Amino acid sequence: QVQLVQSGAEVKKPGASVKVSCKFSGYTLNELSMHWVRQAPGKGLEWMGGFDPEDDETIYAQKFQGRVTMTEDTSTDTAYMELSSLRSEDTAVYYCTRGGGVIRDGFDYWGQGTRVTVSS
Amino acid sequence: SYELTQPPSVSVSPGQTASITCSGDELGDKYVYWYQQKPGQSPVLVIYQDTKRPSGIPERFSGSNPGNTATLTISGTQAMDEADYYCQAWDSSTVVFGGGTKLTVL
Repeated sequence: QVQLVQSGAEVKKPGASVKVSCKFSGYTLNELSMHWVRQAPGKGLEWMGGFDPEDDETIYAQKFQGRVTMTEDTSTDTAYMELSSLRSEDTAVYYCTRGGGVIRDGFDYWGQGTRVTVSS
Repeated sequence: SYELTQPPSVSVSPGQTASITCSGDELGDKYVYWYQQKPGQSPVLVIYQDTKRPSGIPERFSGSNPGNTATLTISGTQAMDEADYYCQAWDSSTVVFGGGTKLTVL
């Protein structure tokens, strides 16, 4: 069955970078897309970016452009999200989630979340 | 930038029908998706492409998107449906989430 398993919690200092991994199983990445969504404490869901199957490229939310990089390693079926120049406002739970493979679709499977805390 | 607007909270009595709205410019021209999130858990897709239910989602969940306002309807609401609900749509090549609605079953 489909599973997305994320790496463990991280504590980082302001200005540092964090790289979160998401190992997927039960499907291949060329069939579907991977996206990243975060949720600050007590707040709503915020899309960070992912693969757009209609434009055939990885797209980032404008808010994160220049600070986020999303990559995939097909040899290990693992996706990565790296966020740099961390600030306290980046404290959140980060989720990987599976999107559509042909059209811009919803997100049907989610990882368990990775808590990232940014604190001096 | 495109925005989706949801009411912050909705209350419903057990067994009654709950309706959660999601408004956006020309939303009816886009597909709308709905997610349920319980405290400490990852979101779960409950409605996709406006009206479809994923496998395993109870029939009491339904969706519509006739114009500028999409609606998630929960018929015969149960205590286990108490959760936060988020709508989502694509605007060009950007994913947009609504601010979320806390559904209270009392």
